[in-house]
Amino acid sequence: AQSVTQLDSQVPVFEEAPVELRCNYSSSVSVYLFWYVQYPNQGLQLLLKYLSGSTLVKSINGFEAEFNKSQTSFHLRKPSVHISDTAEYFCAVSAYSGNTPLVFGKGTRLSVIA
Amino acid sequence: DGGITQSPKYLFRKEGQNVTLSCEQNLNHDAMYWYRQDPGQGLRLIYYSQIVNDFQKGDIAEGYSVSREKKESFPLTVTSAQKNPTAFYLCASSPQGRWEQYFGPGTRLTVT
Repeated sequence: AQSVTQLDSQVPVFEEAPVELRCNYSSSVSVYLFWYVQYPNQGLQLLLKYLSGSTLVKSINGFEAEFNKSQTSFHLRKPSVHISDTAEYFCAVSAYSGNTPLVFGKGTRLSVIA
Repeated sequence: DGGITQSPKYLFRKEGQNVTLSCEQNLNHDAMYWYRQDPGQGLRLIYYSQIVNDFQKGDIAEGYSVSREKKESFPLTVTSAQKNPTAFYLCASSPQGRWEQYFGPGTRLTVT
């Protein structure tokens, strides 16, 4: 079975400062990794994913995450945040077999302060 | 416009009543999922279905029931046996052989 730990439940950061949201996973098999973003009272949107290949993956709005197999981590980073990045961020893991449910972390609430 | 529809967005019920939440998708996805979200607890899996007429229990299935009679539809019934039904409910789907899930906008259920 897989599990996900998001180490920070809340992260406040000033606008234009860098941010890192931490995610560690546990699994006995190879996994795929995902970050989702949720704005208030909305569903989740896929932000980025690691399936294979380069361990550094990037989103269109400046976020990036690096898969580190030895540390079983998939931390999310952004060099300069905007007010509009204020949201809840969820890390998720799936075993290699397709169509199995994702296992989600408990989420990290990112608050960007003007 | 392809996507996942959940209706209604807000739902209010009296304790002791069953209530059914709708989830429809026109993405031609094979798998569909129901999650429950409570503050600080992340998403917890209630039920999922990988194919029509088949579904599996998730981590917190007690007090819930589902059906999958059509590929496009995966309704969730919250029964009176569910001890604490007030929550935000999210439906998701994924295509065959793919791992990422796509989410609907959610239904916020309040039971008083």
